[in-house]
Amino acid sequence: AQKITQTQPGMFVQEKEAVTLDCTYDTSDQSYGLFWYKQPSSGEMIFLIYQGSYDEQNATEGRYSLNFQKARKSANLVISASQLGDSAMYFCAMREGGNQFYFGTGTSLTVIP
Amino acid sequence: GAVVSQHPSWVICKSGTSVKIECRSLDFQATTMFWYRQFPKQSLMLMATSNEGSKATYEQGVEKDKFLINHASLTLSTLTVTSAHPEDSSFYICSADRIAGGPPDTQYFGPGTRLTVL
Repeated sequence: AQKITQTQPGMFVQEKEAVTLDCTYDTSDQSYGLFWYKQPSSGEMIFLIYQGSYDEQNATEGRYSLNFQKARKSANLVISASQLGDSAMYFCAMREGGNQFYFGTGTSLTVIP
Repeated sequence: GAVVSQHPSWVICKSGTSVKIECRSLDFQATTMFWYRQFPKQSLMLMATSNEGSKATYEQGVEKDKFLINHASLTLSTLTVTSAHPEDSSFYICSADRIAGGPPDTQYFGPGTRLTVL
């Protein structure tokens, strides 16, 4: 079974609008971390946001927030007030107990002016 | 903080030659570094986990004699692609685990190295 599932290969959003990128995960561990990374065309993986499995509040970092629904095993990324520079690939990832990262297949986001 | 560099950022080489890629954590120490490869429009594939002072752990299907990994210090890991062939052409990305500071379990990635084997 896939550890991380991103069902949206591509998404479009109007500039200044909000967009939600979906991510579901599969684990039987109680302790795990969830991450979102942004990969622009340059290739660099940029860390955006982290959510721990024991964190009761949704993580927020500036315009990024993580909608963590533990019972549904989902960790959607919400980008508010989209900017043209947000156009990139976005990867959801999970880490169980300090072991390797599992990455999703990614979502390509295009911000339309 | 949490800057990881890679060198070179891109390299073109002839088939049969070896290429060394360096990964450095610039402002933190990393006992563990990871090497990934990424094909166009695909996700990252973990190749190996590099631990400082010990042998690397390779993922299934990755040839350890072809992809030599050395983690000589807490800030440097190297990947050497030996006898490179065109099918080794790819984007290679390293990441590092930060010993202290920052969100737990977060990997910080280098900018990647684009390898083209002619």
